Amino acid sequence: YELTQPPSVSVSPGQTASITCSGDKLGDKYVCWYQQKPGQSPVLVIYQDTKRPSGIPERFSGSNSGNTATLTISGTQAMDEADYYCQAWDSSNVVFGGGTKLTVL
Amino acid sequence: QVQLVQSGAEVTKPGASVKVSCKASGYTFTGYYMHWVRQAPGQGLEWMGRINPNRGGTNYAQKFQGRVTMTRDTSISTAYMELSSLISDDTAVYYCAREGDSSSSGRALDYWGQGTLVTVSS
Repeated sequence: YELTQPPSVSVSPGQTASITCSGDKLGDKYVCWYQQKPGQSPVLVIYQDTKRPSGIPERFSGSNSGNTATLTISGTQAMDEADYYCQAWDSSNVVFGGGTKLTVL
Repeated sequence: QVQLVQSGAEVTKPGASVKVSCKASGYTFTGYYMHWVRQAPGQGLEWMGRINPNRGGTNYAQKFQGRVTMTRDTSISTAYMELSSLISDDTAVYYCAREGDSSSSGRALDYWGQGTLVTVSS
């Protein structure tokens, strides 16, 4: 099973960034998203498609339908510049997308 | 608070094995699966497998079958990942990560260790 993400996305500060993750019938699975800044471990920002762990800002939101899941960052800030990975389960295996580098210009 | 503390960096030779540890604290170790994920330099995340610390059952990514062994010592709340027959392409940062329960985090990987750099070089 494969998850496909765009390698890079650019956004201006204060604007909305959308990062997609595509996979066959992905809407039938739960998707989560991780943020990883240089030299740091990944951090969970969205789970079960739409839920935010405690401590994650409200500007992070998610959706999942059909073959595409989307991570949306509203009012993007410079601190949001990072790599983002989607993840889903395929049977008993974890699958990651290839990652998207978000640049805040 | 939940913490996963991994062992230090390793430098090893091609053909050898490496064993990385992950000590858990702040929660019931046997109550949550532990996963191992690696990241080669400049590359994305790659799932290696997981272990059930309660019973010791494992499932490994097909790519690593026969080369990876995940174990645990419940007396010291520590999980281990051993990778054998190392090649240069195994040079990567190796992470342990806890799988959250379905009610609180939907089986996402909710806590991660700090990572262990393994360098394979002759």
